Amino acid sequence: EVQLVESGEGLVQPGSSMKLSCVASGFTFSNYGMNWIRQAPKKGLEWIALIYYDSSSKYYADSVKGRFTISRDNSKNTLYLEMNSLRSEDTAMYYCAKWDSGALDYWGQGVMVTVSS
Amino acid sequence: DVVMTQTPPSLSVAIGQSVSISCKSSQSLVASDKNTYLNWLLQSPGRSPKRLIYQVSKLDSGVPDRFSGSGSEKDFTLKISRVEAEDLGVYYCLQGTHLPLTFGSGTKLEIK
Repeated sequence: EVQLVESGEGLVQPGSSMKLSCVASGFTFSNYGMNWIRQAPKKGLEWIALIYYDSSSKYYADSVKGRFTISRDNSKNTLYLEMNSLRSEDTAMYYCAKWDSGALDYWGQGVMVTVSS
Repeated sequence: DVVMTQTPPSLSVAIGQSVSISCKSSQSLVASDKNTYLNWLLQSPGRSPKRLIYQVSKLDSGVPDRFSGSGSEKDFTLKISRVEAEDLGVYYCLQGTHLPLTFGSGTKLEIK
């Protein structure tokens, strides 16, 4: 059974940094691209980053480019999202999701990030 | 960026009725490999999204055949026949052909 478990939830002040993790199991992690998607409270879904299976390519939404960094450690079956210069508009539930053939086929349960003074 | 226009924003239906949700893209979703990467997701209340349909019309394992997807190029439809109580939630279309990936704005399905 595919499982994606995010961690790193918390409340931070504007301008600060935070790192999220997503531990994968139930599939060969090193064979698949992975994504981060977020959902602001009562809002829709926003894709924010994709990393290829071997970290050879990384893509970001304009809203986070230059502030967020996606990475992975295939030896630990873990995906990361390092978030810097956080803003109030980054407040959202953050999901990791597995990428397969043009689709986000499995999602984690999500972690809440709140940016507030 | 590809804009995904999803309608209607909400639906209220009785158990057993059928509903359709439309998703129109601002660009063709036919990829260079000739596949069309249009997906439908359901976010049940308090849950993370779950994929129902991929590549326009292929049902994920365990998804009832009351769900069907159709369409091509820029115009897609999700149909739910014989709605059941468990179908309530917010449905999203997602295009995976172009980066950035983009979602429709969602359709909230309520049960009368």
